[in-house]
Amino acid sequence: KAGVTQTPRYLIKTRGQQVTLSCSPISGHRSVSWYQQTPGQGLQFLFEYFSETQRNKGNFPGRFSGRQFSNSRSEMNVSTLELGDSALYLCASSPGGVTPGNTIYFGEGSWLTVV
Amino acid sequence: DQQVKQNSPSLSVQEGRISILNCDYTNSMFDYFLWYKKYPAEGPTFLISISSIKDKNEDGRFTVFLNKSAKHLSLHIVPSQPGDSAVYFCAARYSGNTPLVFGKGTRLSVIA
Repeated sequence: KAGVTQTPRYLIKTRGQQVTLSCSPISGHRSVSWYQQTPGQGLQFLFEYFSETQRNKGNFPGRFSGRQFSNSRSEMNVSTLELGDSALYLCASSPGGVTPGNTIYFGEGSWLTVV
Repeated sequence: DQQVKQNSPSLSVQEGRISILNCDYTNSMFDYFLWYKKYPAEGPTFLISISSIKDKNEDGRFTVFLNKSAKHLSLHIVPSQPGDSAVYFCAARYSGNTPLVFGKGTRLSVIA
């Protein structure tokens, strides 16, 4: 069973630009979540999509947005990039039901560097 | 306000000994807890989980203990191996459609 796939793995952008990151969840999983990890910090929750609808949202500014397609693939976009947006962006998928025991599986992440 | 806390940023253990990683939480609504292991430049890998209806769960060398009254859980690794050297994250949630809340992680170094 293929895991969570994220593209691109590494990218460098200039301040003020925008970036789009892509995530393909595990087959059959309907929930996709995005997290940001910066040095010394834990994983900060960005948002979660389930069946093409945003189900949960973290405390990030509106420059961070996402969407989910009918095949459960998801994209996140960051506009007007700032130096502080440099981070590892992680996508995670899960079956998406209401059972707390649903395990969340992570992709390898997209390393974004803003210069 | 940090709802999940891992108060030890790092831990060093000798190979073959027990590693104990601790995690405290403040939200009494949390009813499911997970541990993830993360190597540099990789995504977190699910390790083991425990439901609030249990106080212990084992999987091979890994055991998680939950003390609900103290709002504390711990991950025991026995015996520790050099390949266990990684950052370990504790996470919690209170229903299947809520996001995981993570601690900041503990870096475990297993010394040969």
